[in-house]
Amino acid sequence: DSGVTQTPKHLITATGQRVTLRCSPRSGDLSVYWYQQSLDQGLQFLIQYYNGEERAKGNILERFSAQQFPDLHSELNLSSLELGDSALYFCASSPSIGGLNTEAFFGQGTRLTVV
Amino acid sequence: GQQLNQSPQSMFIQEGEDVSMNCTSSSIFNTWLWYKQDPGEGPVLLIALYKAGELTSNGRLTAQFGTTRKDSFLNISASIPSDVGIYFCAGQKLGNEKLTFGTGTRLTIIP
Repeated sequence: DSGVTQTPKHLITATGQRVTLRCSPRSGDLSVYWYQQSLDQGLQFLIQYYNGEERAKGNILERFSAQQFPDLHSELNLSSLELGDSALYFCASSPSIGGLNTEAFFGQGTRLTVV
Repeated sequence: GQQLNQSPQSMFIQEGEDVSMNCTSSSIFNTWLWYKQDPGEGPVLLIALYKAGELTSNGRLTAQFGTTRKDSFLNISASIPSDVGIYFCAGQKLGNEKLTFGTGTRLTIIP
């Protein structure tokens, strides 16, 4: 158990809908990351938050957004869903930034299926 | 997005054999990490490397940070059934904590 908790574990929804994925980082970790894993693309970085502020952005679609709340949990919002958005979405957390204690620990993921 | 090149893509070995895999990049990374992913689970951190040339062990696993900082290697000795899974390398650049992942090596143990 990495200590990173993601809910829900599975999600099935229709095209055009909007969903919210939730992540609770390890106790004490200030940095949260979101990654997408699809069969043909491997693990791709979406976005990072540190202590409530956006720190880095990857190839995240405009239909997707995220935030980190004062209690450090994070949510990833996916809207206007398309079939191609079906993937595993992972949250990871790390204690710090800036080169020290930045190893990321991953949650078990949310499997999103868009039908 | 960028992915690191990992080889081999897949391996079929017998229990007890040693395993070697590597990861290469066209750019320099300051930290190399190795993860293992089981089906339906998240990646689990195995080893973290912070300095060029560093050799680090975790039980039967040994990983090395390449001297050019553009590659890393993972060895597993005396493989056992629970070693089955997908192994990913990942790199981090200084001041940029996002991970760039390798394409993965799928390890299968033949009975």
